[in-house]
Formats: sequence, C-alpha cells, structure tokens
Amino acid sequence: GAGVSQSPRYKVAKRGQDVALRCDPISGHVSLFWYQQALGQGPEFLTYFQNEAQLDKSGLPSDRFFAERPEGSVSTLKIQRTQQEDSAVYLCASSLLSYEQYFGPGTRLTVT
Amino acid sequence: EDQVTQSPEALRLQEGESSSLNCSYTVSGLRGLFWYRQDPGKGPEFLFTLYSAGEEKEKERLKATLTKKESFLHITAPKPEDSATYLCAGEGGTSYGKLTFGQGTILTVHP
Repeated sequence: GAGVSQSPRYKVAKRGQDVALRCDPISGHVSLFWYQQALGQGPEFLTYFQNEAQLDKSGLPSDRFFAERPEGSVSTLKIQRTQQEDSAVYLCASSLLSYEQYFGPGTRLTVT
Repeated sequence: EDQVTQSPEALRLQEGESSSLNCSYTVSGLRGLFWYRQDPGKGPEFLFTLYSAGEEKEKERLKATLTKKESFLHITAPKPEDSATYLCAGEGGTSYGKLTFGQGTILTVHP
C-alpha cells in the first residue's frame, strides 16, 4: 500500500515567515511522529501523537513550533516566525503502535 | 539522558569486502534497538528491530546483533547498491515511541 507522504517536499521561507508542513500517515496507523534532521546528523525527536492526542511534545525546540492531528490522521507541523536555525529536513513517521516506525521522504526547509 | 553513538562515521569498502558497523547505546530500560537505511534525499527505511541481548536478525547481506551495551550491523560481501547511511536508534524509558538516533555511518562500497 501507500507509504507515508509529506508535502511540500521543499520549502523556502524568508526569515520571519510562518510555514506549515503536512504529513499523511499510512492508513490505519495509530501513532505519528515528527523528527528534525540537520545535515549530516541523525533525526531528532520533536513530537508524538497517538490518534489525535499529542502524548509527547518534549522535543519541540521552542514555542514557535506547533503540531496538530485533529482527526487522528493527517498531521501538520507549523513553525511561526521562522529563523535560520530552523533550516533542516522535517521527517514524519507512522506506526501501528510504538514500534517499527515508517518514515516519509521528508520536507526540506530552507530559511533565508 | 539517552545517548546513541555510531562508529565509524564513514566506511569505504571494496565490493565483496565484509565489515561491521557499531552502535553503542545508553538508553535506560531499552525496549527496542532499531536499524534504518537512509539514501540521499529520502527518509529512513526500516531494516531491523532487536529487543533483547543475544538476539540476531538477518536480511540478505545484512545481519544485526545486540548486546547489553551495543549493536552491530554486519555486512557480508557488500555490493555497490548497499551504499547508504545506516542509522541506529534506541527506544526506552518513559518516552514511549520516541527514538533516539545516532549520527549514522556513511557506507560507500566501490565496485
């Protein structure tokens, strides 16, 4: 079946702009995760949803980052007033429970 | 704080030259140790999950093993198409589902 999809694949934003990144998980997957991957590094956890409930947001770097999954399916990661340090690849993953997370292709965000 | 460290950072092999990648972890109450493969411009692709020390899993030319402190990814007779970044990650403690990743090992296999 279809895997995890993310849009847009690439986003260029001027410093101070707001951006919204979308994740469509694998159908039926209860858990959804967001990670941030800097160039040459492993992914770093941002936040975790089980259905529509956000169970862990300990990795969100500041209050400019906000994630939602209102109907327990599609999720949106929003970054307000983007800064250069927000430039990274944002990865979304989904799983049936908490194991074997399947990742999407990521959104590469460049803040100029 | 949970920590995962991979070595070497980069590994160059000739086709057919077997080797191993190391993943050392400090993850309290480890529930699972995961291996992923990541190709440039793509998301990580799931390879293996190991749950307890002594466990081994194999897939084609890859074999993953787990001890109480580290995991190894053994690559037997690699081919150029095995070239990728290999990531390991641990999940444990009170943070259910949260994966702590290492920085990855960039593997290049020359024909």
